[in-house]
Amino acid sequence: AQKITQTQPGMFVQEKEAVTLDCTYDTSDPSYGLFWYKQPSSGEMIFLIYQGSYDQQNATEGRYSLNFQKARKSANLVISASQLGDSAMYFCAMREGLNAGGTSYGKLTFGQGTILTVHP
Amino acid sequence: GAVVSQHPSWVICKSGTSVKIECRSLDFQATTMFWYRQFPKQSLMLMATSNEGSKATYEQGVEKDKFLINHASLTLSTLTVTSAHPEDSSFYICSARDWELETQYFGPGTRLLVL
Repeated sequence: AQKITQTQPGMFVQEKEAVTLDCTYDTSDPSYGLFWYKQPSSGEMIFLIYQGSYDQQNATEGRYSLNFQKARKSANLVISASQLGDSAMYFCAMREGLNAGGTSYGKLTFGQGTILTVHP
Repeated sequence: GAVVSQHPSWVICKSGTSVKIECRSLDFQATTMFWYRQFPKQSLMLMATSNEGSKATYEQGVEKDKFLINHASLTLSTLTVTSAHPEDSSFYICSARDWELETQYFGPGTRLLVL
């Protein structure tokens, strides 16, 4: 079964508008972390934002925010004021398992990715 | 911020040769590194988890003898594609984990083309 699902193969947005990239996940582990990465055409994976399963507040990093709906098991990425440089592939990922010290073990499982295109 | 380097960034080789890819964590110690493979327009597929000082843990379907992983120090892991064939052509990305932080940093990737 797919653990991380990104249902939008491609998204288009006008420059300066906001866009939401969807991500749903499946886990029975109470302790997990959710990540979003940006991959431009160069191939580099750029870390954007992180949300822990126990975090009470939605994570924010500049123009990026993570809409964490724990009961619905969704972790959508919201990009505000889109810029042309935001055009890239975006991946949602999950890490399961936390040790007693609160540091995660476990590998990252990635979703299928969403290609975002920002139009001028 | 944390930086992970990967070398080489591009490699073209003949079928049957072996290729070594290096992954280094530049400003933190990485007891765990991960090797991923990515085909165009697809997601990252984890190949193996590399643990410093011990054997790598391979994902199901990944040939251990084909993809040799060595993690000899806290800052260096290597992936060797042995007897490479055209079907091994892909984008290989390493990732290193900073245990003081919750995130995982990726190298810039290595594009391998086997002729």
